[in-house]
Amino acid sequence: GAGVSQSPRYKVAKRGQDVALRCDPISGHVSLFWYQQALGQGPEFLTYFQNEAQLDKSGLPSDRFFAERPEGSVSTLKIQRTQQEDSAVYLCASSSPGLAGIHNEQFFGPGTRLTVL
Amino acid sequence: GNSVTQMEGPVTLSEEAFLTINCTYTATGYPSLFWYVQYPGEGLQLLLKATKADDKGSNKGFEATYRKETTSFHLEKGSVQVSDSAVYFCALSPVSGGYNKLIFGAGTRLAVHP
Repeated sequence: GAGVSQSPRYKVAKRGQDVALRCDPISGHVSLFWYQQALGQGPEFLTYFQNEAQLDKSGLPSDRFFAERPEGSVSTLKIQRTQQEDSAVYLCASSSPGLAGIHNEQFFGPGTRLTVL
Repeated sequence: GNSVTQMEGPVTLSEEAFLTINCTYTATGYPSLFWYVQYPGEGLQLLLKATKADDKGSNKGFEATYRKETTSFHLEKGSVQVSDSAVYFCALSPVSGGYNKLIFGAGTRLAVHP
C-alpha cells in the first residue's frame, strides 16, 4: 500500500471491554513500532517488532496490553479490561531496516483514537 | 535517561513572521534528532532530521542544527505561511540495540494568521 494504515480509526469501549487495534505497515518494512499519544502530549513508545520478533516491550504500561505480529507484517495491539486511563490515540509506525547506527525514517499511520467510557 | 523538552505553545504568528521553536534534549551518547509535524486531521510526518553534531536538517524552508554543546535542536523558519499551522514535535532516537525508537517532546502548536 501507499502508507501505513490502521483500523479502526475510532473506537469507543466500555470500561472492562477488550479491544484490538490493527496496523498494516508499508510492504517490506521490517521494523514496526506502537506508540500511545495522550491528549495534548507527544507520542510515547510502547513496543517494537523486527519482523515477527517482539524485541522491546518496555513501554507497555501494564500486562493488560499485548501486541503481536505473527507473520511479520500486520500487527495487532490488544488491550484487555480497558480502563479510562487507556483513552488515547494509538499510533503505529514502520520503517525499513538501516545500517547499524543509521536511523531510518519512521512512517506513521493515522492512528486509532480509543475512548473508554 | 533520555528526554526531550520543547517550548510550550500555542505559538501564534502573523504570516511572514520569523519562527523559532526551542527544543533541548537529554541523552547518553550521540542520538539522532528529528522534527515531526502533525497537520490538522493528518498523521505524523517527518519534517527534518540530523544524525550527528553540527548537522543541519532542512526541509520546506524549515531548518534545525544539531548543537551538542547546548544539547539543542531548535526549529526555525524565516517566513511562515498559514499552511504551516500544525503541531510540531521534537524527538530523539538513542543509538541502542540497532533500532530507533523515538522519544518525543510534548509538542508545540503553531497558529499562523493571515
